[in-house]
Amino acid sequence: EDKVVQSPLSLVVHEGDTVTLNCSYEVTNFRSLLWYKQEKKAPTFLFMLTSSGIEKKSGRLSSILDKKELSSILNITATQTGDSAIYLCASLSSNTGKLIFGQGTTLQVKP
Amino acid sequence: NAGVTQTPKFRVLKTGQSMTLLCAQDMNHEYMYWYRQDPGMGLRLIHYSVGEGTTAKGEVPDGYNVSRLKKQNFLLGLESAAPSQTSVYFCASSLNTYNEQFFGPGTRLTVL
Repeated sequence: EDKVVQSPLSLVVHEGDTVTLNCSYEVTNFRSLLWYKQEKKAPTFLFMLTSSGIEKKSGRLSSILDKKELSSILNITATQTGDSAIYLCASLSSNTGKLIFGQGTTLQVKP
Repeated sequence: NAGVTQTPKFRVLKTGQSMTLLCAQDMNHEYMYWYRQDPGMGLRLIHYSVGEGTTAKGEVPDGYNVSRLKKQNFLLGLESAAPSQTSVYFCASSLNTYNEQFFGPGTRLTVL
């Protein structure tokens, strides 16, 4: 059975801290690993990682995929209260475009 | 562009009632998906469609039906609602199997 597991499930940090969120996957027909940020409503897309070892960056956020270890990390540096959200990772199937999501990591950034 | 829209935003049903959730996208995407999100469980795929006139089952299809009569619309139906279907429902669409999915704002459904 395909599965995606995230850790930790929740995290509380203070502004300025650096956080690392983890995602591991066991899926057949794996194509890519995606990260989404979910605040009050819809998940919004952050990154798609297809090739191992290549870091994707957007401002203070970065992510990297390790296909050998079947895992990915999402780093957030110099956290701000606006980073408080649920961070979801998902594996993308090569056949159907289906996403299998992890449980999500709830990040709270305190002032 | 509105992107992906969902109606209604909120709904309360009694056990046994039926309803239809509507998802619409204006991005000319081929693929559309319905998910439900429950606390601590991430998003789980209910049904999906790889093009107009097609539908397929996801992880948790029981108790739901779908239709994709027009490319831009994907309907999710509950024939006889149960309290276990209390959840937040998200629709998503993507251009193809290589691209990210874009999500609608969600529908919060409560079944009493």
